[in-house]
Amino acid sequence: AQKITQTQPGMFVQEKEAVTLDCTYDTSDPSYGLFWYKQPSSGEMIFLIYQGSYDQQNATEGRYSLNFQKARKSANLVISASQLGDSAMYFCAMRVRGAQKLVFGQGTRLTINP
Amino acid sequence: NAGVTQTPKFQVLKTGQSMTLQCAQDMNHEYMSWYRQDPGMGLRLIHYSVGAGITDQGEVPNGYNVSRSTTEDFPLRLLSAAPSQTSVYFCASHFTGGQGFEQYFGPGTRLTVT
Repeated sequence: AQKITQTQPGMFVQEKEAVTLDCTYDTSDPSYGLFWYKQPSSGEMIFLIYQGSYDQQNATEGRYSLNFQKARKSANLVISASQLGDSAMYFCAMRVRGAQKLVFGQGTRLTINP
Repeated sequence: NAGVTQTPKFQVLKTGQSMTLQCAQDMNHEYMSWYRQDPGMGLRLIHYSVGAGITDQGEVPNGYNVSRSTTEDFPLRLLSAAPSQTSVYFCASHFTGGQGFEQYFGPGTRLTVT
């Protein structure tokens, strides 16, 4: 079975600081994908970044990067130069090969303070 | 291109009532899914469909029915609503193939069962 664990229920960060949101995963399948989604207070799910298990380099998308440590089964999201608009819930999710569902973690509520 | 649309946005039901949550996508995606999000939790898969006429159960299917008569539409039916079904419901869709495909989410339906 696949499982995603996000151990930080909430985080508070000063504006312009970098922030790391933790995500660990568990799967026995060697082929999988890892995703991060942002859910602002308005409720929609916004795709941020994807990392494949065979990707050699860490994924980056603008201010978002994914710190992928395969041996540790961790896929932490790094947000550089945080902004007030980054305040939201952040979910880590995983899909294994052949499966059509995403398995989500419980989320981390990030609050950016001015 | 509207993406994934859901109606209604909000709904209040009494215990025992039935209703259908509508979901439509205009991206010609083969796969469509329904998730529910309970407070403090990530999304959990209810049902999914890999194409018109084909559906399957997810993680929490009890109390829900689905059908897929067209590629575009994937309604979710609650036959006899229960307070435990109070949740936010998300419909999602994606293309076939691999595990790196982005899943597009609808804006969600907030359902309260009293």
